[in-house]
Amino acid sequence: IAGITQAPTSQILAAGRRMTLRCTQDMRHNAMYWYRQDLGLGLRLIHYSNTAGTTGKGEVPDGYSVSRANTDDFPLTLASAVPSQTSVYFCASSQQGYSYNEQFFGPGTRLTVL
Amino acid sequence: KQEVTQIPAALSVPEGENLVLNCSFTDSAIYNLQWFRQDPGKGLTSLLLIQSSQREQTSGRLNASLDKSSGRSTLYIAASQPGDSATYLCAVSLILTGGGNKLTFGTGTQLKVEL
Repeated sequence: IAGITQAPTSQILAAGRRMTLRCTQDMRHNAMYWYRQDLGLGLRLIHYSNTAGTTGKGEVPDGYSVSRANTDDFPLTLASAVPSQTSVYFCASSQQGYSYNEQFFGPGTRLTVL
Repeated sequence: KQEVTQIPAALSVPEGENLVLNCSFTDSAIYNLQWFRQDPGKGLTSLLLIQSSQREQTSGRLNASLDKSSGRSTLYIAASQPGDSATYLCAVSLILTGGGNKLTFGTGTQLKVEL
């Protein structure tokens, strides 16, 4: 089934630990995004990538890093997790020039940092 | 900075009613506007996308309108059903340098359709 997969589904992490959230899409979209969703704040963009090999910062990039080695994968890394990074993380993708860059979302990763 | 507001925050209606969800945004220089549905504990499902040059878009029982100059969009749901119960999110799009687009989201309207 075409779409976006994210792993893990959920994770409990001790503060200070390193964690990588995985995101893979099979739609061959050029652009990919990471958002976090927090109660009362909605979804906010963390990082994005317009195409393989390029990345950019969103609204809330501090404490996160990303890489885009190929078209399909866009991992998000927390180098040293802190409790304020407890959130639900969504990966999304879009294709430039297709359907006006409509974004499609993965099922999310629920992360708890203790 | 773009801000998106959705009113009401929560809405409960009896089955069969027609209803309107509202979305307003502060900066009219948008590329498009998307309406999403989110079920509890799940991801976002795209419902409708309206290009900045369009006035409305329809899909089944859903109709979304856009008035870019006034910074408003509405999502109309006809003949509501219990299966429509979910949180509805509005997001406006800004093109990023290099071709992707950034979505700015409202905090959503939580809809409950009762039997």
